Amino acid sequence: GAVVSQHPSWVICKSGTSVKIECRSLDFQATTMFWYRQFPKQSLMLMATSNEGSKATYEQGVEKDKFLINHASLTLSTLTVTSAHPEDSSFYICSARDRPSTDTQYFGPGTRLTVL
Amino acid sequence: GEDVEQSLFLSVREGDSSVINCTYTDSSSTYLYWYKQEPGAGLQLLTYIFSNMDMKQDQRLTVLLNKKDKHLSLRIADTQTGDSAIYFCAESDEDNQGGKLIFGQGTELSVKP
Repeated sequence: GAVVSQHPSWVICKSGTSVKIECRSLDFQATTMFWYRQFPKQSLMLMATSNEGSKATYEQGVEKDKFLINHASLTLSTLTVTSAHPEDSSFYICSARDRPSTDTQYFGPGTRLTVL
Repeated sequence: GEDVEQSLFLSVREGDSSVINCTYTDSSSTYLYWYKQEPGAGLQLLTYIFSNMDMKQDQRLTVLLNKKDKHLSLRIADTQTGDSAIYFCAESDEDNQGGKLIFGQGTELSVKP
């Protein structure tokens, strides 16, 4: 099946710093990638939809200046958490859509962010 | 807005069948999915069903869809301890939401030896 990787798998940073998380589709081209956030024991919350070559579409309540998304190629999307604070600590998961062959979303392994 | 509901916990004995249930509200759902998440990991797609299908079987997994009642279930036959995980039901509406997935809260399946 299609493989999606994320890097790093976990990161610890100081409050006020920025952190970049990469999401790659390894064996297919993804015109659309999605970024989710998951709190412990909770479901996934969609943050934004990222389309290659265009601006990301953010869900209501998600600050686009806080969570910068770039989808510069068909295999790479990045999420940058700017000026991170402890409340940004979470599990961030990306998914990539393998179109046009299928509408299925394939998920990355997730990135655990801890802000001290 | 759209909503997907699941029961939070299910406990079964090894070898028994597990049935995880899900209800959704979006009558325009195009696809319905079941994902598995193990601790500290991402989501693994288990199976999916088109909204115009009633049933889909894939080895130990059987998905039943009652579109009238907006009810989806996942049956795992001969449940093993390795099946212990959180199972998420999700729906997407291709025509109106561009493939955005709406997830349920997840059902934690515990398999006892």
